[in-house]
Amino acid sequence: DQQVKQNSPSLSVQEGRISILNCDYTNSMFDYFLWYKKYPAEGPTFLISISSIKDKNEDGRFTVFLNKSAKHLSLHIVPSQPGDSAVYFCAAIGGSQGNLIFGKGTKLSVKP
Amino acid sequence: DVKVTQSSRYLVKRTGEKVFLECVQDMDHENMFWYRQDPGLGLRLIYFSYDVKMKEKGDIPEGYSVSREKKERFSLILESASTNQTSMYLCASSLYLSSATNEKLFFGSGTQLSVL
Repeated sequence: DQQVKQNSPSLSVQEGRISILNCDYTNSMFDYFLWYKKYPAEGPTFLISISSIKDKNEDGRFTVFLNKSAKHLSLHIVPSQPGDSAVYFCAAIGGSQGNLIFGKGTKLSVKP
Repeated sequence: DVKVTQSSRYLVKRTGEKVFLECVQDMDHENMFWYRQDPGLGLRLIYFSYDVKMKEKGDIPEGYSVSREKKERFSLILESASTNQTSMYLCASSLYLSSATNEKLFFGSGTQLSVL
């Protein structure tokens, strides 16, 4: 059973607009969440993380929001740029889970 | 910056061949991981290691083995390659991951393996 779910396989957004990528988790013991970006034929690169003691973390155009009661986090990209077009993976860790658990990814396409 | 280096970007092998994928990291990380990435299936953990000579099975270890003789090097072995092992293979390393350490997982560039 998937513990980390990214229910949207793809998302298309116009350049300059906001991109919102969503992630749900089932394990209430998860306390650390990370987002990775992956371009084709390259390894994933770390984007931003958030600890469960926070509900928001911001880094430039990227903001991650965490709603612990809903077991939901989202990544906001504002403004979106064509270079943001990639697959975005959500990951979580905590409790007895010693390794990062990844979602299946969301492919973001930002149209010029 | 942490560097995780995978020996090959692209590999083409025949069914039944023994395949070695090599990975080296330069940041003295204890933890090393092998994932495969397939469209629609995300990143799936094959094997991991928390120390030299130590290995643990991940979610999909069947058909694979690993070797960690030195701290910086983690090898993935396909004993007898099959077509369903055609995939992007990703090596990663880290220190201890937790909300307290705020550490992250560092990935190599990946090896696209095709088994014909």
